[in-house]
Amino acid sequence: DGGITQSPKYLFRKEGQNVTLSCEQNLNHDAMYWYRQDPGQGLRLIYYSQIVNDFQKGDIAEGYSVSREKKESFPLTVTSAQKNPTAFYLCASMGGHQPQHFGDGTRLSIL
Amino acid sequence: GNSVTQMEGPVTLSEEAFLTINCTYTATGYPSLFWYVQYPGEGLQLLLKATKADDKGSNKGFEATYRKETTSFHLEKGSVQVSDSAVYFCALSDVGTTDSWGKLQFGAGTQVVVTP
Repeated sequence: DGGITQSPKYLFRKEGQNVTLSCEQNLNHDAMYWYRQDPGQGLRLIYYSQIVNDFQKGDIAEGYSVSREKKESFPLTVTSAQKNPTAFYLCASMGGHQPQHFGDGTRLSIL
Repeated sequence: GNSVTQMEGPVTLSEEAFLTINCTYTATGYPSLFWYVQYPGEGLQLLLKATKADDKGSNKGFEATYRKETTSFHLEKGSVQVSDSAVYFCALSDVGTTDSWGKLQFGAGTQVVVTP
C-alpha cells in the first residue's frame, strides 16, 4: 500500500542536541511538507519542498532544517536553536492538485 | 493573508445527535477548502473537500458546502456515533499564485466528543 511513513513515533531530545525526524513516501508525490502541532492549536508549516533539491521556509522555520535529496524522502532536523521543540510533528505529501496526504506523526519531547 | 477560523471545542454530543462545526475563511485568491479529521495519536485524514463555490463535499455521512458569499465551509453530520469522536480541522489551499500553491492554512481544530 502506498503511504507516508514517519519514524520514530516517539523521540526524546537532550539539551543542546540535534535530532532528525524521518519522513518517507512511496506515493511518487513531488511536494512534501513538515508541520508542527501544539495542543489546542492548528498545524503550522515549518518547511516545504515542491521538487527534489529545492525547499522553502514555512511560517515557523527558525530552529529547523531540512533536505530533499531524494523524491521519496524529506527529513527534518530539530536543532539546538529550537528552544521549545516539544510538539507533535506531521509530514505530508501531495501529488498534482490532490489534497495533502499525512503520515502518523512523531511526538518529540525534551528529557 | 489567508486565515481559517473554526469554532472552539470541545463539542460534546450524545450518540445520534446532529453535529455542526462552523468554519469561516479569508483568502486573497480562489481557495480549495478541506475538512481533515485526527483520531488520538494519529495523523490527519482527509474527510472531504470542495474546490469551487457551491460545491458540496461529502463522506461517511459528513457534508460541507463551499459558500463564497459567506466565506464559510461548515461541517455537518445528521447522526453522530461514538466512533466520530476526534479533532476536526478546517483548512484552505490557495492555488491562485505560484508562491502559495499547495500550502494549507489550518484552523485551530475542534475536538468532538460523542458519548453513548
